[in-house]
Amino acid sequence: GNSVTQMEGPVTLSEEAFLTINCTYTATGYPSLFWYVQYPGEGLQLLLKATKADDKGSNKGFEATYRKETTSFHLEKGSVQVSDSAVYFCALSSDYGGSQGNLIFGKGTKLSVKP
Amino acid sequence: DGGITQSPKYLFRKEGQNVTLSCEQNLNHDAMYWYRQDPGQGLRLIYYSQIVNDFQKGDIAEGYSVSREKKESFPLTVTSAQKNPTAFYLCASTIREYYGYTFGSGTRLTVV
Repeated sequence: GNSVTQMEGPVTLSEEAFLTINCTYTATGYPSLFWYVQYPGEGLQLLLKATKADDKGSNKGFEATYRKETTSFHLEKGSVQVSDSAVYFCALSSDYGGSQGNLIFGKGTKLSVKP
Repeated sequence: DGGITQSPKYLFRKEGQNVTLSCEQNLNHDAMYWYRQDPGQGLRLIYYSQIVNDFQKGDIAEGYSVSREKKESFPLTVTSAQKNPTAFYLCASTIREYYGYTFGSGTRLTVV
């Protein structure tokens, strides 16, 4: 079945460091891929998404490229800030014009950025 | 502005009581979802509904119940049968999974 695997945390970085959070997936068909961010005590917010191979999603300095050949959707940011401290979730949707399925979430990666 | 509203933000329950968590959306989304999140854990699906008057069990439905009488509303009842209800509960909705979910801000339930 479909699944998402993301790197375990926590990840601790210094401000202005480069961030990579790995996410790989298993899916049939043509899934859409998502990154969500959850700040402490809040719900999840959509950070970025990509709907087809080689698409790059980007938002707030974060980027992720949909790589079908490596079944990956790694999240990157060139220079993190303290305000980026949060939990990041990778997710996929197997639905593409067909019957509705559910989003499948990774387990989340906690990022802490130190000043 | 359109959005999804969960209430209350904090809820306290005595053992043996049922409590109901509210989830309302004005996004005209067909599908709605309830997730449970424990500290340091990921999301676990409790129930979901893809259309009014219909809903399906998720991975951890035992001890929970839902209704979907209106498109806008998907309340979750945590019953006394749920042995460990203390958790953070998240509601979400979507017009279609392909586009991703919109989440509410969550309800933190504590058993006292």
